[in-house]
Amino acid sequence: AAGVIQSPRHLIKEKRETATLKCYPIPRHDTVYWYQQGPGQDPQFLISFYEKMQSDKGSIPDRFSAQQFSDYHSELNMSSLELGDSALYFCASSLISYGYTFGSGTRLTVV
Amino acid sequence: KQEVTQIPAALSVPEGENLVLNCSFTDSAIYNLQWFRQDPGKGLTSLLLIQSSQREQTSGRLNASLDKSSGRSTLYIAASQPGDSATYLCAVRPPGSARQLTFGSGTQLTVLP
Repeated sequence: AAGVIQSPRHLIKEKRETATLKCYPIPRHDTVYWYQQGPGQDPQFLISFYEKMQSDKGSIPDRFSAQQFSDYHSELNMSSLELGDSALYFCASSLISYGYTFGSGTRLTVV
Repeated sequence: KQEVTQIPAALSVPEGENLVLNCSFTDSAIYNLQWFRQDPGKGLTSLLLIQSSQREQTSGRLNASLDKSSGRSTLYIAASQPGDSATYLCAVRPPGSARQLTFGSGTQLTVLP
């Protein structure tokens, strides 16, 4: 079965650079979520999209933005990167009656 | 605001033991509860999903129970194996569409050969 696909798997950026993370949800899933997981921490919700419209916003910095496109893939754009942005970034998709399916994540390292 | 707590934070057991991981949540108005497994530096793998109307779910050696009224869930692992070593996270989903999960901090399980 198709899973949630995230790219790239690993990303190294310098401070103040910009990064774009991509997510391809499971077909027919209507909601996409982005989470950030710092070292030794539980995942923290950033933002979600329901049927391509932003639905909820969590602890997402103003330097970050996200959108969902007509083909349902989503991108998380991160600008003016800081050392503290180094983390695992997960995308997940779901249908209301079903559980979440998470992607394998993108490991972002800011140097 | 929903808070999810997992006890213990870490657990080490010898191979073959049965064990129970605990999860509690403060707001009983949940849509469902999901247990995940996470290996170091890896993604989250869904283990079991329990809808709010269900009491338990089973998959192989895993059994998860849900007592919504008391705000508790347990994950029972039978005949533990070294390959079960990982961090186990529970997460609750509130009612309504497009609602994000609230995660517990996880239980780090080590099964010793």
